[in-house]
Amino acid sequence: EPEVTQTPSHQVTQMGQEVILRCVPISNHLYFYWYRQILGQKVEFLVSFYNNEISEKSEIFDDQFSVERPDGSNFTLKIRSTKLEDSAMYFCASTEVPGGNTEAFFGQGTRLTVV
Amino acid sequence: RKEVEQDPGPFNVPEGATVAFNCTYSNSASQSFFWYRQDCRKEPKLLMSVYSSGNEDGRFTAQLNRASQYISLLIRDSKLSDSATYLCVVNDRNAGNMLTFGGGTRLMVKP
Repeated sequence: EPEVTQTPSHQVTQMGQEVILRCVPISNHLYFYWYRQILGQKVEFLVSFYNNEISEKSEIFDDQFSVERPDGSNFTLKIRSTKLEDSAMYFCASTEVPGGNTEAFFGQGTRLTVV
Repeated sequence: RKEVEQDPGPFNVPEGATVAFNCTYSNSASQSFFWYRQDCRKEPKLLMSVYSSGNEDGRFTAQLNRASQYISLLIRDSKLSDSATYLCVVNDRNAGNMLTFGGGTRLMVKP
């Protein structure tokens, strides 16, 4: 079964450092997303991406965050200067087509710990 | 603010029991509805989509009431493996297809 893969599974970083979280969406999918889940809280939308540009972003996704599709397979989330409150599980997701009842496939997540 | 609200539980039920979860959503423009399942420290996985007419998948039945902005999930004949957190999720196609998640309802099925 095709799957979304994320690396690394766990990243520990010092406050103020830059981190890049990597995702390989399912190969024929065109829509990509990042979500985050702070421990014990809801899964929250960060950003959606289609046709090499951001289609929607939440208020969480401020200037410290950026996304990129550097090649035909990878989709990355960069946090420029991490804060303690960025500690969370970050999930990448992809869909073949937008919306409707299309299933969003989630990667297994990257646990980011900012110390 | 667009919200999806769920009773966090936990619901502790014996094997074989029937259990029902409810969810309300605030955004009347929501167009698609889902139940996802999340195991501890894992990614959400789609359990089932929810259609206006209601739909069933084996032991699972989902219902949608658009007028009341209310979604339900019924699990019959609970199994130990059903123990997980069940996430009510809505999709707003007018907003980049973002999914809005409820906080989840935790189910623990005991022998």
